[in-house]
Amino acid sequence: DIQMTQSPSSVSASVGDRVTITCRASQGISSWLAWYQQKPGKAPKLLIYAASSLQSGVPSRFSGSGSGTDFTLTISSLQPEDFATYYCQQANSFPLFTFGPGTKVDIK
Amino acid sequence: QLQLQESGPGLVKPSETLSLTCTVSGGSISSSSYYWGWIRQPPGKGLEWIGSIYYSGSTYYNPSLKSRVTISVDTSKNQFSLKLSSVTAADTAVYYCASVRYSGSYPDYYYYGMDVWGQGTTVTVSS
Repeated sequence: DIQMTQSPSSVSASVGDRVTITCRASQGISSWLAWYQQKPGKAPKLLIYAASSLQSGVPSRFSGSGSGTDFTLTISSLQPEDFATYYCQQANSFPLFTFGPGTKVDIK
Repeated sequence: QLQLQESGPGLVKPSETLSLTCTVSGGSISSSSYYWGWIRQPPGKGLEWIGSIYYSGSTYYNPSLKSRVTISVDTSKNQFSLKLSSVTAADTAVYYCASVRYSGSYPDYYYYGMDVWGQGTTVTVSS
C-alpha cells in the first residue's frame, strides 16, 4: 500500500503570506497526485489534479508541483478564505486511493 | 451540473450494518468518464477513502475495510450505495460520496480528481 505524509501538520500564517505544504509518497506515484481544500463543516474541494493542473474555477494563487515521491502545494498570497485544511491524495493505484493526513492553515 | 446527495440513517447500533445511498443528479451514473466513490471522516480526523465503483459494477475497496464493505450501483435510479457491516464506534464519521473523474483505460488512466462531492452525512454508531 502507498502511504502519504504531509508537512507541516499545521502552519500559522498571515494574509498575504506565501505558504508551502509538502506531501510525500512512500513510493513513486509519477504525477498522480491531487490536492483538496476543506473548510470546517464542509465537503472537500478539489484544487489541483495530476500534481500541477489547476481545477476549473480555482484561483491562480494556488499551484502544485512535483513528481515521483515529493510534491508541494503553494499558495502565493494567502487570502482570508484560504484558511482551511489541505489534503493530498495519491491516485497512482487508480481507482484505489490514499489521502494524506492533512495540513491545517490558520491565522497567525 | 453534477450534484451528489447522500442519504441514510444517522444512527446505527454497534454490530449492525450501516447503509447509505448516494443519488446522482445532473448527469448519468453510467457515464464512461466517472467512477463513483465513498470517503469518510471521523470527528476531528482526516479523510479515509472507503471504496470506488464503476457503473458496470466493478468495485475497489480500501484493504483495511474490505472485509466489511460492499458498494453497489443501481443505474436505473442513478444511485450507488454503501454497506458497512459489523460497525463499531470507530465507524462514527461523516460519510461523503464523490464523483471520480478520469479518462483512458487500463493501464493508461488519466485521473482528474474527485471533482464533485456530496455535502456529507453524519453517521453515529451507538446503542
